[in-house]
Amino acid sequence: AQTVTQSQPEMSVQEAETVTLSCTYDTSESDYYLFWYKQPPSRQMILVIRQEAYKQQNATENRFSVNFQKAAKSFSLKISDSQLGDAAMYFCAYNAGNNRKLIWGLGTSLAVNP
Amino acid sequence: ETGVTQTPRHLVMGMTNKKSLKCEQHLGHNAMYWYKQSAKKPLELMFVYNFKEQTENNSVPSRFSPECPNSSHLFLHLHTLQPEDSALYLCASSQEGGGRGYGYTFGSGTRLTVV
Repeated sequence: AQTVTQSQPEMSVQEAETVTLSCTYDTSESDYYLFWYKQPPSRQMILVIRQEAYKQQNATENRFSVNFQKAAKSFSLKISDSQLGDAAMYFCAYNAGNNRKLIWGLGTSLAVNP
Repeated sequence: ETGVTQTPRHLVMGMTNKKSLKCEQHLGHNAMYWYKQSAKKPLELMFVYNFKEQTENNSVPSRFSPECPNSSHLFLHLHTLQPEDSALYLCASSQEGGGRGYGYTFGSGTRLTVV
């Protein structure tokens, strides 16, 4: 069965510092997509970054980047120059290429300290 | 107006009440979804609609009844709920029926409390 594991229920970072959120997944598929979503107190789930499994290059979106290790089935999110507005729940999600379902992790609550 | 809009934002209902949640998207997407978000659990996909047709029902109890009159609107009709149904209900939409590759666009959810 496909699963997504986020081993850090809570994390904290100082403003302007860098933090890395961990995500591992289990799958036997070769074609799939991985996502990081952010859910701030406003509750709206916002797509932060996506990665196609067939691409070796790590995805980046401004201050957000991923470290995608396909063999290790690891997909961590790095947030650089953390800002107060980055405080939120972060969810890792997986989607097989031939399936419409997203498999979700339990989330990591990130606090940003001023 | 753009994005995915959900109403109401908060809802408190008794176990014998009937209420409805509404979701509207102005993105031109053709697929819409209901998710349930409970504490300490992964998001649970409840229903999927593709071009107004229900394509997925993940063993959701019949006290939850979805309705999709067109590709832009999605409802979740609630009746005789249980306290364990209290949760955040999220609506999402996607451009393609799978949502794969491009993820979903979510609304801000309805916080439901069943008393």
